[in-house]
Amino acid sequence: GAGVSQTPSNKVTEKGKYVELRCDPISGHTALYWYRQSLGQGPEFLIYFQGTGAADDSGLPNDRFFAVRPEGSVSTLKIQRTERGDSAVYLCASSLSLGEKLFFGSGTQLSVL
Amino acid sequence: GENVEQHPSTLSVQEGDSAVIKCTYSDSASNYFPWYKQELGKGPQLIIDIRSNVGEKKDQRIAVTLNKTAKHFSLHITETQPEDSAVYFCAASNEKLTFGTGTRLTIIP
Repeated sequence: GAGVSQTPSNKVTEKGKYVELRCDPISGHTALYWYRQSLGQGPEFLIYFQGTGAADDSGLPNDRFFAVRPEGSVSTLKIQRTERGDSAVYLCASSLSLGEKLFFGSGTQLSVL
Repeated sequence: GENVEQHPSTLSVQEGDSAVIKCTYSDSASNYFPWYKQELGKGPQLIIDIRSNVGEKKDQRIAVTLNKTAKHFSLHITETQPEDSAVYFCAASNEKLTFGTGTRLTIIP
């Protein structure tokens, strides 16, 4: 079946703008994760959902970042008042349930000018 | 929280030789240790994983070992091929994955 799908694949925005990044997990996967990867670094945890609720959002860097998963499937990561330091690849992953294997999407490359 | 260290950061290996990447973790509660391969412009791809009740696991040319007492785990790739060239990440998990900083593996033909 289809893997984790992330859209857009690339997003260029100006400092101060609002952006939304979308993730479609593998069908039937109840757990969904967002990670951020800067150049030359490993992915860093942002937030994960079990079903519709955010089980752990301790990795969100500040209150400009917010994520939702209203129906327990698709998730949107929202970034307000973007800053140049937000530029990175934002990765989404899903797993059948908590503690199972994570499967990643190809990511959204966010560039804040 | 969990802290994962990974070495080396870069590794060049002659085609056909073996490659070994090592990681350490800090949280004794971590019980799941996957390895991911990442190619340019793509997301990390799971290549092998091991759980804390097992000391070693092998899948064709790839093997992983885990020493829970020392909090070490390693990836071994034998008979390396040019297509093994990529960045490899280790990770440790209790509920969420914490990644190492990656190893850029280059296979020299």
